[in-house]
Parts: sequence; C-alpha cells; structure tokens
Amino acid sequence: SSELTQDPAVSVALGQTVRITCQGHSLRSYYATWYQQKPGQAPVLVIYAENNRPSGIPDRFSGSSSGNTASLTITGAQAEDEADYYCTSRDSSISRDSSGDHVVFGGGTKLTVL
Amino acid sequence: QLQLQESGPGLVRPSETLSLTCTVSGGSISSSSYYWGWIRQPPGKGLEWIGSIHYGGNTYYNPSLKSRVTISVDTSKNQVSLKVSSVTAADTAVYYCARTYTSSWHTFYLWGQGTLVTVSS
Repeated sequence: SSELTQDPAVSVALGQTVRITCQGHSLRSYYATWYQQKPGQAPVLVIYAENNRPSGIPDRFSGSSSGNTASLTITGAQAEDEADYYCTSRDSSISRDSSGDHVVFGGGTKLTVL
Repeated sequence: QLQLQESGPGLVRPSETLSLTCTVSGGSISSSSYYWGWIRQPPGKGLEWIGSIHYGGNTYYNPSLKSRVTISVDTSKNQVSLKVSSVTAADTAVYYCARTYTSSWHTFYLWGQGTLVTVSS
C-alpha cells in the first residue's frame, strides 16, 4: 500500500478548476512532486519542489502544500489534461518496513475532463 | 538531447533473475550532476520506485525490494542496469528508467519509454 494517499478518481468540467490532493506523513518534511501519465505513455513531470514547473508545462498547473497535504491545481482544465496524476515525495522515516532515505508514490488519481 | 532507452527480456521465469539495461544517449552517465532511477508499474496499477544510483556508486533502494534488487552503472557503455532476483508474478510490470539531479535525487525529470517484463512459466 502507498504511504501517500490520493483520491482514486476526480472529474472536472472543461475550463473549470480542479484540485488533486495527496496526504502523507512525509509531506510534513519534504516537498511533493507531481507526474502526469496518459494511457500507454511514460509519466511526465509537471510540478516539482512543491510549486515549480519544468519547461513546457502550462502555467495552469500549480502546486501547494499545507501540513501533511499537498495539492495539484489545474486552473482552466483542458481536454488534454485528462490523465492519471501521481504525487511522490522523499521519505526518510524509519519504520518496521523502511529505513533511510527512499521515495514514496501515491496510488494515483484518474482525472476525467467532462 | 538526452534520451533513455530500456531493454531486456520481455519474459522471465518465476524464481529467476530479471535483468534490464537503460542506455543513455545524448549525454554522459558519468556526470556528477545526475542520479539514475528505476521505477516500475504493474499492468493497470500505480507507480513504484525501485531505486536510484549515482555513477560514483551511491545508491538508494526501496526498502520493500532492497533484498532482491541490485542497481549498477557501467560508465564504459553509458548504461544503468537493474537486477531483481527470485521474481514472481508480482514483479510483472513496465519498468522505467529515469534521470534525476543530484540535488534532488528523488525527482524524476526525464523518463525512458519503459519496457514490459512478464514473469511467467
């Protein structure tokens, strides 16, 4: 099971704003990173270090964080934004199942643009 | 422009060792600025980080896979390798290699197209 929790599915009307959330203990210490994955394709980085966009990512994508929750917001969703979105972060917690630095992924959110 | 290409057998028998290679073109794997990671995705499921390596040898592994995984770098071939031992059907997945920056080794900026590995007898 993922150590970051995401809603399995979210929908948004074309042109409206949608927020995809990600919850987890590691987010209290480390920034969230977000990836977009379309069917049959490799993931693409859309937000890193909480709210930074790589070159080529539209500015309608933004990130934010509060406490143990990170959010990816798409302002004015387009049809081409329909995809799966994954959050991830670094984690350095020591538990029964882990020790030392590692990376955790959320389970993913399927975004449907209506 | 840097590109990553995964390659290896598409079918592996249960209990055997899965071996994949990621060939880097358009840049050097020996750059101190980069880490190289492996991530996998079972069919219809989410992403799972396997591990990451710097050409100098420093590695990070997923604790849940650490006992079965080895990641290495071959600078002469500009390749990163992944080995997963004692595989089961649960290791069936698309395997991706990806590039990160040393300053943020946990952020995957560039991905290969992925290669599907099926574990079956």
